[in-house]
Parts: sequence; C-alpha cells; structure tokens
Amino acid sequence: EVQLVESGGGLVKPGGSLRLSCAASGFTFSNAWMSWVRQAPGKGLEWVGRIKSKTDGGTTDYAAPVKGRFTISRDDSKNTLYLQMNSLKTEDTAVYYCGILRHYYYYYMDVWGKGTTVTVSS
Amino acid sequence: EIVLTQSPGTLSLSPGERATLSCRASQSVSSSYLAWYQQKPGQAPRLLIYGASSRATGIPDRFSGSGSGTDFTLTISRLEPEDFAVYYCQQYGSSRALTFGGGTKVEIK
Repeated sequence: EVQLVESGGGLVKPGGSLRLSCAASGFTFSNAWMSWVRQAPGKGLEWVGRIKSKTDGGTTDYAAPVKGRFTISRDDSKNTLYLQMNSLKTEDTAVYYCGILRHYYYYYMDVWGKGTTVTVSS
Repeated sequence: EIVLTQSPGTLSLSPGERATLSCRASQSVSSSYLAWYQQKPGQAPRLLIYGASSRATGIPDRFSGSGSGTDFTLTISRLEPEDFAVYYCQQYGSSRALTFGGGTKVEIK
C-alpha cells in the first residue's frame, strides 16, 4: 500500500525553526517527485514547494511566501522527504501535507499524507 | 502567476441533484495540468480529476470534468450524501508553481 506519513509538527515561536518529515512506503520513493502543500485553519490549499527526483536533477521550487525561508530535501536511502522551516511567522500556521507529484504529461498529486499541524505563536 | 477563481463559493443542493462547479483561470491553462480535488473536514484532499477530464482511480463516474483554456467545470451528476465536501481546482504553470483555487463548498440544502 502506498503511504505517506508526516511528522514533526508542533508549537513554535515566531522566528523559530522546525523540520517536518514525510516517511514514504509502498512505492519507489527515489523515482518520485514530491511536494508540500499547506492549509491554514479554515482556509484553502496552498502549495509550498516541490522537489524533483535525483534522476531528474533533484531541484526544488518554492511558493513566493516561503522562498528563502523553507527548504525541501530528500533522503532516498531513508525514503523520507523533509521540509526545513526557518524564520517562521504566525501566518505559517497550518496543516502541512506531503504528496506524490505526478508529472508525466499531466501534473497532479494523487497520494497525500494525513498532514501534520504547525502552530506559530508566542 | 496564474490565479484560479472558483465559483460559487458555496453551493447548497439536495442529494440527487446535479452540481456544477466552475474554475476560471486568469490566463490560459494547459488542460493537461488542470486537476480537481475533494476534501472533507479533517481529511487530506483526494484527487478526483486530472488532465481536466480524466477520472482518478476509484472515482465514481458521477464525477466528470470538462473545459479548456481559461474555463473548467467539475460536474457531479447526482449528489450522494458522501459528496458534500469542499472541492478545489489546481493548475501547474510556466512559473513551475502549482496553484489552487479558493474552493467551492457543496453543502446540503
């Protein structure tokens, strides 16, 4: 069974840092493009960023609100995706989801984790 | 950056009725890159439609997608009780960014 499990969420003060993890199983993680999407309380979905497979260059792209503060990385030996979040702001408070990003001809996320909650508050 | 505007914000319908949800892009979008998701409270989004009109695995045929260019539609032919949820459209653009629409809530009338 294809599965993604996020962890690492919690309460952090403004200006602080947090690292989220996304453990993958049931598929060849090293071949997958992966993405993070967040959802603030009562709000819609917001794309955070994406990392390509190493075979495709392993490059990353980020949404404007997080660029320069967030870093996506992957450890294919551990089948794990990461989101390093620095200089956190109250507006970063959200549920963070990881997902598999399909990118051959089409572009969509068909497998999502259940999410982990990040609260930025003093 | 392409902006997706979904309408209406809320759709109040009864089970068995037809639901028509709109997603309008601020500039032309490749149909290949347009997807629709369903989200229920406390759950992760679920992929319904990709490539504007292809149903994802396991999605009932009462869900259909159509459209091209800047106007896309998700239609639920006959609402079942489990279909009351929030629906989002998503596109991928030349800026290499995914964007989501603001969502349409389908609620029981």
